[in-house]
Amino acid sequence: SAVISQKPSRDICQRGTSLTIQCQVDSQVTMMFWYRQQPGQSLTLIATANQGSEATYESGFVIDKFPISRPNLTFSTLTVSNMSPEDSSIYLCSVRGQANTEAFFGQGTRLTVV
Amino acid sequence: DQQVKQNSPSLSVQEGRISILNCDYTNSMFDYFLWYKKYPAEGPTFLISISSIKDKNEDGRFTVFLNKSAKHLSLHIVPSQPGDSAVYFCAASGRGVTSGSRLTFGEGTQLTVNP
Repeated sequence: SAVISQKPSRDICQRGTSLTIQCQVDSQVTMMFWYRQQPGQSLTLIATANQGSEATYESGFVIDKFPISRPNLTFSTLTVSNMSPEDSSIYLCSVRGQANTEAFFGQGTRLTVV
Repeated sequence: DQQVKQNSPSLSVQEGRISILNCDYTNSMFDYFLWYKKYPAEGPTFLISISSIKDKNEDGRFTVFLNKSAKHLSLHIVPSQPGDSAVYFCAASGRGVTSGSRLTFGEGTQLTVNP
């Protein structure tokens, strides 16, 4: 199992500003994942963060809007840049050791953009 | 393209009865399926999973059934308890180093268990 600490747990931000979300894992993992859950919707994968290489972004998500850092095997950050009200969502960090095992999630960051 | 679908946004059952949550998928490359429970203001919590080589997996009150030919899986909770009230997400993953690690989620079903 893995324990994931994610912060902040919530924030209210002005449009046009940026917010950086931090994710700390209690063990070393190769891949970390960032998801978004818009109100009333499913969890959508934003990107996969690999240590030592560029993050891999899913269709519809770009690095300029969601830059990701992965400085080591236990830590990652996701920045939501130039925010608009449409970015109001829950953002979740996740890790999964290997295929055919469960994934673990942080408690999420509830972002409201006004 | 929604590859994992949960067609019922909500389900309400009486305490002590069975809850059945359904999930359909379209991608035949999916070979591992998971159910998560999510309370408000918390991250999803893993409940139970099943590999495509099985058709049933049981863990206490929770049983997951997989029908590969129909590309359908279901989660049975027996007996249902008020503390089970939460949003339940179905998720799937495929083969390969990358696709085997990423999860594709359904839209979720809000389960309400009434005392």
